[in-house]
Amino acid sequence: DAGVIQSPRHEVTEMGQEVTLRCKPISGHDYLFWYRQTMMRGLELLIYFNNNVPIDDSGMPEDRFSAKMPNASFSTLKIQPSEPRDSAVYFCASSPILGGIQETQYFGPGTRLLVL
Amino acid sequence: DQQVKQNSPSLSVQEGRISILNCDYTNSMFDYFLWYKKYPAEGPTFLISISSIKDKNEDGRFTVFLNKSAKHLSLHIVPSQPGDSAVYFCAASQIQGAQKLVFGQGTRLTINP
Repeated sequence: DAGVIQSPRHEVTEMGQEVTLRCKPISGHDYLFWYRQTMMRGLELLIYFNNNVPIDDSGMPEDRFSAKMPNASFSTLKIQPSEPRDSAVYFCASSPILGGIQETQYFGPGTRLLVL
Repeated sequence: DQQVKQNSPSLSVQEGRISILNCDYTNSMFDYFLWYKKYPAEGPTFLISISSIKDKNEDGRFTVFLNKSAKHLSLHIVPSQPGDSAVYFCAASQIQGAQKLVFGQGTRLTINP
């Protein structure tokens, strides 16, 4: 398996522009997670989906952030408009359910976002 | 409010010696704890976990210790190897299999030859 795939790997944009980050989870995984990594706060969970349905978006910083999962093999995280403080590494992760228990989360390589 | 804290941003250890990474948590509802390892330009990968019913879990060179009364856990790596140089994240959840993991800030471990 190719693992969790994220694109782009790097994104540089100007303040006010729309940014769309993409994720392809591991096939067959039931859960998909979006995280943000910063030096100060480490890894923060933004939102997660179960079977394409958003379950908990309490970590989404504000209305400028939105996430969708139109099907089991694709998810997007959109920031509109972007601000310099959104600069961070964004990770997507997925995990399966085995025996009724959610197993380990598998992370993608991340998207490094810089908003100027 | 940082519920999981790794107070040491970095740690440097000589090859062959023991590396000890620490993690504190504030939420007494946390019941399951994990360590993830992250190399540059890669996503975190699962390393080892421990349930609150145990106080120790060992996997090869890696051992995690849990002190529930102190709300503290630690990861011991012995002997340390150059390939262990990475950022280590501590994470916690309220039950094993819970979807929501709360991560710490991470500790950058450097193993010196």
